[in-house]
Amino acid sequence: DAGVIQSPRHEVTEMGQEVTLRCKPISGHNSLFWYRQTMMRGLELLIYFNNNVPIDDSGMPEDRFSAKMPNASFSTLKIQPSEPRDSAVYFCASRLRESGNTIYFGEGSWLTVV
Amino acid sequence: AQSVAQPEDQVNVAEGNPLTVKCTYSVSGNPYLFWYVQYPNRGLQFLLKYITGDNLVKGSYGFEAEFNKSQTSFHLKKPSALVSDSALYFCAVRDDNTGFQKLVFGTGTRLLVSP
Repeated sequence: DAGVIQSPRHEVTEMGQEVTLRCKPISGHNSLFWYRQTMMRGLELLIYFNNNVPIDDSGMPEDRFSAKMPNASFSTLKIQPSEPRDSAVYFCASRLRESGNTIYFGEGSWLTVV
Repeated sequence: AQSVAQPEDQVNVAEGNPLTVKCTYSVSGNPYLFWYVQYPNRGLQFLLKYITGDNLVKGSYGFEAEFNKSQTSFHLKKPSALVSDSALYFCAVRDDNTGFQKLVFGTGTRLLVSP
């Protein structure tokens, strides 16, 4: 089975540029999560969706961050404009809500803003 | 709000020895508890979970964890460590008393198994 697929795996961009991270959840899963991992703050939940609807975006750090899920098989996390402090690993994860709460992570998008 | 604590930043153990990675939690309702492992430059991989039932849960790669309600703990254990077990381990908790399906992660414990 294909797992959660994220792209790009690595991105280096200049401050002020727009960054778009993409995620394809596991087929059939109906919950999707975006996490950010840094050395300083560990693993933080940014936003999650149930059935493509954003349920809790309280972890989104500021208005420069936005996330969408236009359909059940695709989600984006956008940063505009990007700043060096946004450098982190961004993980997408998905879950079949009715099947016992286990969430499955993608391999992450490693973002460096210079 | 639920929370989880991993009191050790790093655990060192010799190969072949038993290992324990500690986790304590705080919830208002019943806990759903998870362990994940992260290898360098990889995503988090699910190891095991406790939802209900037997307090001793067995998972992948020979790992197990024991749910202790009175001590609000969910320590990860393995009888005989391998060098390949060296990785970052995360405990996570979800409170079944919350309307949101939020999984909160600990800060992680680095396990280093020496040959």
